[in-house]
Amino acid sequence: TQLLEQSPQFLSIQEGENLTVYCNSSSVFSSLQWYRQEPGEGPVLLVTVVTGGEVKKLKRLTFQFGDARKDSSLHITAAQPGDTGLYLCAGAERDDSWGKLQFGAGTQVVVTP
Amino acid sequence: ETGVTQTPRHLVMGMTNKKSLKCEQHLGHNAMYWYKQSAKKPLELMFVYNFKEQTENNSVPSRFSPECPNSSHLFLHLHTLQPEDSALYLCASSQPGLGYTFGSGTRLTVV
Repeated sequence: TQLLEQSPQFLSIQEGENLTVYCNSSSVFSSLQWYRQEPGEGPVLLVTVVTGGEVKKLKRLTFQFGDARKDSSLHITAAQPGDTGLYLCAGAERDDSWGKLQFGAGTQVVVTP
Repeated sequence: ETGVTQTPRHLVMGMTNKKSLKCEQHLGHNAMYWYKQSAKKPLELMFVYNFKEQTENNSVPSRFSPECPNSSHLFLHLHTLQPEDSALYLCASSQPGLGYTFGSGTRLTVV
């Protein structure tokens, strides 16, 4: 089983501050996904990264896949209360999406006005 | 609305009850999944179905019984559950290269 460790487990910041969430594994993944989950809802896919060293930007969110495809980070610039949620990373074992995803335990982010 | 619908949203059941969770998607995805989400733990994969065929059973106790009558519908039949089975049960569907689409989940409480 490929274990994904996320850090920190919990992060509370003020609106306007920056934050970074990390996702680390000792195993290599063919691709890695980030999801955000809000209370009472299922996770929603934010991005998929597939190439080592890849950087993707989604408005104020920047996602990076490590060169060795074992780790990833999510950076939020000028956080807003709407960024509050549980951020989950998930690694795909195979090149297709039929395979199961391994999920991290998540980072709970709280952005206060 | 994500395209994956789960019912009911909340369920309270006794340990001797039998109930079923339902998941429906009309996204044209051929793979469907059941995950269990407990507080502060990673999502646990329970079952995987590809083209209606079960391809993964992740050592799930037999008190959980999945059913996939077609590519759009997935059920999870529950019987004689334990209090530690209380959790959020998430259904997801996928197509290669598109990632997972999750439903909103069923919050299950076993009393």
